[in-house]
Amino acid sequence: DIVMTQSPDSLAMSLGERATINCKSSQSVLYNSNNKNYLAWFQQKPGQPPKLLISWASTRESGVPDRISGSGSGTDFTLTISSLQAEDVAVYYCQQYYSAPLTFGGGTKVEI
Amino acid sequence: EVQLVESGGGLVQPGGSLRLSCAASGFTISTYWMSWVRQAPGRGLEWVANINQDGSEKYYVESVKGRFTISRDNAKNSLNLQMNNLRAEDTAVFYCVASGGFLLRGYWGQGALVTVSS
Repeated sequence: DIVMTQSPDSLAMSLGERATINCKSSQSVLYNSNNKNYLAWFQQKPGQPPKLLISWASTRESGVPDRISGSGSGTDFTLTISSLQAEDVAVYYCQQYYSAPLTFGGGTKVEI
Repeated sequence: EVQLVESGGGLVQPGGSLRLSCAASGFTISTYWMSWVRQAPGRGLEWVANINQDGSEKYYVESVKGRFTISRDNAKNSLNLQMNNLRAEDTAVFYCVASGGFLLRGYWGQGALVTVSS
């Protein structure tokens, strides 16, 4: 199984600050035949199901603000919120969909 | 309106069984992979199982293999999860997800709470 490790567990930021969340996979999630990283980022707010923010490590989903971005390849990935807004308070999860069992990171709680 | 609505959750004793269902409306599940993802109270997300469009492929997380069975009824536009020999550590909100494949892009339900306790 591919183990996903996120850091930090929590972030306390000020409005307008840059937030960076790291995610490391225990093996590469880069599929060589199509050069795609099978890595997604989700945002979850209290009482709600998760919302997909980023797929293929760096492709923003429709409607996701451009202050949120994903980067990385292979085993090391980053989610960046360039200028933190009040509505970004949430828990963020990385997830690999390279192979079953699908696995999530432990989550990073972003607070203001 | 597109909706996934989970049902069948509740309180069950350790060793007991429960069957979760997920009813889809506003779209047809027959072209989607369907998954169950759970979240223990105050904890992170854990993918549980998924099933392909015609039910010929099923995958499970190790901790539920042999105890949980995922199934679908495309004619009834619904997904099921039969859970046997439940343990306290199975206590969680279970989400139903419709997606194009292993990427969980698509529709999520609001979740059903399963509590395993004596």
